[in-house]
Amino acid sequence: DTEVTQTPKHLVMGMTNKKSLKCEQHMGHRAMYWYKQKAKKPPELMFVYSYEKLSINESVPSRFSPECPNSSLLNLHLHALQPEDSALYLCASSQERGGNTYNSPLHFGNGTRLTVT
Amino acid sequence: GENVEQHPSTLSVQEGDSAVIKCTYSDSASNYFPWYKQELGKGPQLIIDIRSNVGEKKDQRIAVTLNKTAKHFSLHITETQPEDSAVYFCAASSGNTPLVFGKGTRLSVIA
Repeated sequence: DTEVTQTPKHLVMGMTNKKSLKCEQHMGHRAMYWYKQKAKKPPELMFVYSYEKLSINESVPSRFSPECPNSSLLNLHLHALQPEDSALYLCASSQERGGNTYNSPLHFGNGTRLTVT
Repeated sequence: GENVEQHPSTLSVQEGDSAVIKCTYSDSASNYFPWYKQELGKGPQLIIDIRSNVGEKKDQRIAVTLNKTAKHFSLHITETQPEDSAVYFCAASSGNTPLVFGKGTRLSVIA
């Protein structure tokens, strides 16, 4: 079982709905990530939080809004999504190593399978 | 920025045979190279990683080799088993920028 827990596992939402994806880790990692993965593609980085501050936003549309309430939790708020946003949304975390954020293993959750109708 | 190329995109092997997946990277500053395995319905899981101060690393049936001069690294799986069937992703990072993933290799181990 993964040490990064994501809820819900599956979500179906209409284009006018507002929903949230949740992610939790208790490994003491200070970097947390949201990735989007389409079928037969690699994970695509959306956001990175480092020490609870947003450090990277990969030009993601504003209908996706991340939030990091504390060092163990990461949320992704969804509003007015489009059908093309249907995908697997993966949360990950990592430990800082030698002052660098990105040269440590990423620990992924099993994702939320999102369908926008 | 970094660009990671991964080959082949699909690979079928007989159970017990070896499988090799190759990746090349473009940024000479990259110094961290993990490999992830993704099974159906799950998130990617780290199976092995290597840093640029090491040329080879082994963990039971899995090994990774790194050639910094040629900027390529490879995953070797020996004595393949049906449970090795999955999608494998290589990735590279300099430590200051997030991991860049290859496009993935779908490995099928035929019993």
